[in-house]
Amino acid sequence: AQKITQTQPGMFVQEKEAVTLDCTYDTSDQSYGLFWYKQPSSGEMIFLIYQGSYDEQNATEGRYSLNFQKARKSANLVISASQLGDSAMYFCAMRLSGGYQKVTFGTGTKLQVIP
Amino acid sequence: EAQVTQNPRYLITVTGKKLTVTCSQNMNHEYMSWYRQDPGLGLRQIYYSMNVEVTDKGDVPEGYKVSRKEKRNFPLILESPSPNQTSLYFCASSLWPGQGKKGQLADNEQFFGPGTRLTVL
Repeated sequence: AQKITQTQPGMFVQEKEAVTLDCTYDTSDQSYGLFWYKQPSSGEMIFLIYQGSYDEQNATEGRYSLNFQKARKSANLVISASQLGDSAMYFCAMRLSGGYQKVTFGTGTKLQVIP
Repeated sequence: EAQVTQNPRYLITVTGKKLTVTCSQNMNHEYMSWYRQDPGLGLRQIYYSMNVEVTDKGDVPEGYKVSRKEKRNFPLILESPSPNQTSLYFCASSLWPGQGKKGQLADNEQFFGPGTRLTVL
């Protein structure tokens, strides 16, 4: 069975500072994808970044980067230069890429950016 | 506009009264899925469908039914709702590996509907 663990229920960060949101995962499959989503207070789910299990380089999308350490089974999200609009819930998720396309989400981290 | 739509957005009902939450996507996606979101538990997958007439259970399928008779639609059915099914429900869709132009899993990012807030009294 696959599992995603986000150990930080809530975090604070000063505006313009960088912040790392932790995510560890567990699966016996070799081929999978890891995703991060943002959920602002308005409720919609916004895709941020993706990392494939065979990707050798860490994914980056603007101010977002994914620190992928396969041996440690971690996929931490790094947000650089935090903005007030980054205040939201952040979810890490994993999707297997074989015929079994189940998706598992973590419990989320609530990030609050302080002016 | 590419989107996933859900209806209704809000619903208050009573125990045992059958209900259906509709989900429709206009992106020609093969993969569709239902999730429920509860405080402290994140999103949990209820059912997913990899193609028309192909569905499978997620982590919390008890008390729910789904059907996929058309590619664009994936309704969620609660035959006899109970208060523990009070939750925020999301429908999502995505490409299938090989369906996208790159054929990579990155193209399988899920697009989410706006959510349906269900209260069962």
